[in-house]
Amino acid sequence: DADVTQTPRNRITKTGKRIMLECSQTKGHDRMYWYRQDPGLGLRLIYYSFDVKDINKGEISDGYSVSRQAQAKFSLSLESAIPNQTALYFCATSGGTGGGGYTFGSGTRLTVV
Amino acid sequence: DQQVKQNSPSLSVQEGRISILNCDYTNSMFDYFLWYKKYPAEGPTFLISISSIKDKNEDGRFTVFLNKSAKHLSLHIVPSQPGDSAVYFCAALDDKIIFGKGTRLHILP
Repeated sequence: DADVTQTPRNRITKTGKRIMLECSQTKGHDRMYWYRQDPGLGLRLIYYSFDVKDINKGEISDGYSVSRQAQAKFSLSLESAIPNQTALYFCATSGGTGGGGYTFGSGTRLTVV
Repeated sequence: DQQVKQNSPSLSVQEGRISILNCDYTNSMFDYFLWYKKYPAEGPTFLISISSIKDKNEDGRFTVFLNKSAKHLSLHIVPSQPGDSAVYFCAALDDKIIFGKGTRLHILP
């Protein structure tokens, strides 16, 4: 089993729909992150959480919300999806011991039509 | 404003030669830098890192060089192999990782 599991792997949704991307980890890490990858733009941070009661906005949080349901679970929601949210989404975890400790999930490819 | 910049979107290198990927940063307070490698349909994986108190870190075929005065780091891969074809992200650690836009490396047979 993967250390960081993202579901679904692929999703097509319609404009205006609410969608939730889920992330769970077995690393026992406190810190979890949601990144978005777009061609030519690299990985951009959406939200991050350093523990269950801590939620922080990243550089592109508008249009997104998150929920840290437990140490092992961090979900990303698009309340009303729009086409420019079509992207590859990655969840990551870290134990806070330096950047090498980031473990990424395999990603969720989201298409908003 | 981008704090971590990779100005070459792609790079092609002959198999067996040296690949050099470059990265610039703007924040002199960064104290830890990393390189991640990403294959299609997979998440990024950690490759190598360097602390700002060092100017070089080597791990097998991979070496990262840091020039603090120039705010520049580079990743050298020698010799380059077909499996090195991937997207490489330069990153800096603040309280979270800040990534560059990535450089796609093609290793030519």
